[in-house]
Amino acid sequence: GNSVTQMEGPVTLSEEAFLTINCTYTATGYPSLFWYVQYPGEGLQLLLKATKADDKGSNKGFEATYRKETTSFHLEKGSVQVSDSAVYFCALIHSGGGYQKVTFGTGTKLQVIP
Amino acid sequence: EAQVTQNPRYLITVTGKKLTVTCSQNMNHEYMSWYRQDPGLGLRQIYYSMNVEVTDKGDVPEGYKVSRKEKRNFPLILESPSPNQTSLYFCASSLRPMTGSNHEQYFGPGTRLTVT
Repeated sequence: GNSVTQMEGPVTLSEEAFLTINCTYTATGYPSLFWYVQYPGEGLQLLLKATKADDKGSNKGFEATYRKETTSFHLEKGSVQVSDSAVYFCALIHSGGGYQKVTFGTGTKLQVIP
Repeated sequence: EAQVTQNPRYLITVTGKKLTVTCSQNMNHEYMSWYRQDPGLGLRQIYYSMNVEVTDKGDVPEGYKVSRKEKRNFPLILESPSPNQTSLYFCASSLRPMTGSNHEQYFGPGTRLTVT
C-alpha cells in the first residue's frame, strides 16, 4: 500500500535559521503530494502542493519539489520565524478507477525560538 | 463564509453508547473524508465519499460507519464505541476528486472524542 515517511521531530530552530523537513513516499503511479500545517488547537491547512514530477510547490516562503527519482517531497524554508511553530504533515493522494485515498505522514513538530 | 463544520467539538461518552459526529460543508464539494489523529500516528483516513451515495473504506474503517445522503453532509457513526476509538477526528472536503488541481482539502476544526 501507499506510505509516507517523515523525519522524526520535534525540530527546534532559532529564528532566521534554514528549515528542512524530509518526506519520502511509497506509491504506485503518480500521486499528488501535499504539505499541510497544523497550528495548536486548529485543523489542518494546506501549505503547498505539487501534482506531477518536478513540480515545485511554494507558499509563504516554504518550498517543496516533487522528486520522482528519489520519491521525495522535502519541505524547505530559508528563514523561519517564531510564527512558523506548528506541526507539519506530508501527504499524498492516490486516485484512479473510481477511488481516491489519502495517506499522511506522522507529522513533524517545529519549534522556532527567538 | 466557506467552511467545514463539525459537531460536537468535544464529546465524552461511555463504551457501547452509539454516537454520531456530524460534518457539513457549504462549498458544494463532491469529495468528503473522515480522519482520526493519534499521537505518533499522524492522520489516518477512516472513510471517504466521492459523491452522494458513494462511500468507500480508508485505512482504518473498523468500528465506524458513514453515509452520504446529501452532498453537504457526511456524518460519522460509531455504533458501539470502544476506548480505542478515543481520538481527535477531522472531517475534510475537496471540490472534485480525480483531478490533481482540485485535490486541496479543507478541514473542519476537529472533534475530540473520549470513550471511557
